[in-house]
Amino acid sequence: SAVISQKPSRDICQRGTSLTIQCQVDSQVTMMFWYRQQPGQSLTLIATANQGSEATYESGFVIDKFPISRPNLTFSTLTVSNMSPEDSSIYLCSVVYNEQFFGPGTRLTVL
Amino acid sequence: AQRVTQPEKLLSVFKGAPVELKCNYSYSGSPELFWYVQYSRQRLQLLLRHISRESIKGFTADLNKGETSFHLKKPFAQEEDSAMYYCALRESDGGSQGNLIFGKGTKLSVKP
Repeated sequence: SAVISQKPSRDICQRGTSLTIQCQVDSQVTMMFWYRQQPGQSLTLIATANQGSEATYESGFVIDKFPISRPNLTFSTLTVSNMSPEDSSIYLCSVVYNEQFFGPGTRLTVL
Repeated sequence: AQRVTQPEKLLSVFKGAPVELKCNYSYSGSPELFWYVQYSRQRLQLLLRHISRESIKGFTADLNKGETSFHLKKPFAQEEDSAMYYCALRESDGGSQGNLIFGKGTKLSVKP
């Protein structure tokens, strides 16, 4: 199995600021995924973080708003930029390592 | 268009009663279907996948391509089964390996 940790576990931020979420995996994985789960909604894929290349974003998500870094095979960051209350959500890191594993999530509240 | 539909937001049953969590999907190819579970204060984890045709914690799910369904069933619910259950689809020919499309989830509450 793959063990995933995320930092921070939760944060409360002011409108207009940015927050960077870190994801660390205990195994080397080719692709890491970032999901968003808004209150009462399903998990939605934001982007796929590829090591050594640009992240691949899903429809409705753009790099300027959600820049992603993937410096190596065990680590990735997701930044939520210029936040608004609509960005309040749980952000989940996920990897495929035989099966798909999820991190504990980062609960973000934007005031 | 919604690809994975879980019509029930909340399902409440008594301990020992049968439970069925419904999931319907919309996909033209050959999908891979999964059920994920999230217990209180725990992370999302895989419960079972259709290709394994296995029973986990007494739960089973059969892929019905004719009805495009993948309902999760358990003959006798236990209190520890109370959790959020998510049905998910992975496109077999998608560009992102492991890209899962999730339903909105069903909260199962098993009462004593």
